[in-house]
Amino acid sequence: EPEVTQTPSHQVTQMGQEVILHCVPISNHLYFYWYRQILGQKVEFLVSFYNNEISEKSEIFDDQFSVERPDGSNFTLKIRSTKLEDSAMYFCASMGDFTGETGELFFGEGSRLTVL
Amino acid sequence: RKEVEQDPGPFNVPEGATVAFNCTYSNSASQSFFWYRQDCRKEPKLLMSVYSSGNEDGRFTAQLNRASQYISLLIRDSKLSDSATYLCVVNPRYGGSQGNLIFGKGTKLSVKP
Repeated sequence: EPEVTQTPSHQVTQMGQEVILHCVPISNHLYFYWYRQILGQKVEFLVSFYNNEISEKSEIFDDQFSVERPDGSNFTLKIRSTKLEDSAMYFCASMGDFTGETGELFFGEGSRLTVL
Repeated sequence: RKEVEQDPGPFNVPEGATVAFNCTYSNSASQSFFWYRQDCRKEPKLLMSVYSSGNEDGRFTAQLNRASQYISLLIRDSKLSDSATYLCVVNPRYGGSQGNLIFGKGTKLSVKP
């Protein structure tokens, strides 16, 4: 079964360091997303990406964050200068096409980021 | 008012019990609705979409009341494997491609033998 794959599964970094989280969405999918979940909190939308550009972003997704699709398979989330409050599980997700009401997001297993 | 509200639980039930989860959402213009399941420290997985007419998938029944902005999930004959956190999810726009999903904090279910 096709799946979204994310690396690394866990990254520990020092405050102020740059972090890049990697995702390989399902190969024929068109829409890509990053969500995050702080431990014990709800899943929160960060950004959506379609046709090689950001289609929507939340207020969490400030100038410290960026996304890129450098080639036909990878979709990355970069955090330029990490803060303690960036510690969370980051989920990548993809969706195949615009299927309206029944469109299903497929989530990767997540990358846990710990900022010290 | 929170965008998507759920009873956090936990709901502790014996195997075979019927359990109901409720959810309310604040944006009356929301277009599509889902229940996701999340196991501990794992990714959310779609359980079922919720349609206006109500829908059933095996032991799971979902209902939507747009007038009350209320969504429910009923699990019949609960199994040990149903133990998880159930996330009420709302899409404020038509189709996931155009908007983000708004997640509730989830209701934790623990099914005991």
